[in-house]
Amino acid sequence: QQQVKQSPQSLIVQKGGISIINCAYENTAFDYFPWYQQFPGKGPALLIAIRPDVSEKKEGRFTISFNKSAKQFSLHIMDSQPGDSATYFCAAGWGKLQFGAGTQVVVTP
Amino acid sequence: NAGVTQTPKFQVLKTGQSMTLQCAQDMNHEYMSWYRQDPGMGLRLIHYSVGAGITDQGEVPNGYNVSRSTTEDFPLRLLSAAPSQTSVYFCASSYRDGAYEQYFGPGTRLTVT
Repeated sequence: QQQVKQSPQSLIVQKGGISIINCAYENTAFDYFPWYQQFPGKGPALLIAIRPDVSEKKEGRFTISFNKSAKQFSLHIMDSQPGDSATYFCAAGWGKLQFGAGTQVVVTP
Repeated sequence: NAGVTQTPKFQVLKTGQSMTLQCAQDMNHEYMSWYRQDPGMGLRLIHYSVGAGITDQGEVPNGYNVSRSTTEDFPLRLLSAAPSQTSVYFCASSYRDGAYEQYFGPGTRLTVT
């Protein structure tokens, strides 16, 4: 069973818009919540990560919001650009990561 | 640094054949892992290693073997390939087991007919 549920499966956003991807986890022992970005034909690469002692982390146009009580976290991509078109995976765990199913983001010009 | 390298990039096998997917890292990372990526399933952990000589099973280990004789190398062996093992395989490494960035290789696309 998938311990990390990710939605939506895909989304289309206009250039300059906001992309929001949500994830929910079940295991309260999870202590590390990274987001990975994957371009076609490439391996995933770490985008941003958060630990549960903070509720938000921002790096440039990318922000993670974390709600420990609801066991949910989300990725916000502000001012989306065509170069952000990729598949995004949330993950949770400690070393041994459980990954979400992925969200394909398409940013239209 | 080359980072994490994987060979081959593509492979076609017939049912019942065996093969080894190679993975190497030059970052002196203790932790290495193998994932398979299937549409709509995300990345699922096959096997992992927290150091040379130490391996353990992940979420989907059946049909796969691993060994870790050196810090650098972590090969994945398919014992008797089945069509259900058609997938993209990624090797990853990180400094240690824990809240550390995992560096992924470019992947091996395997088709079993």
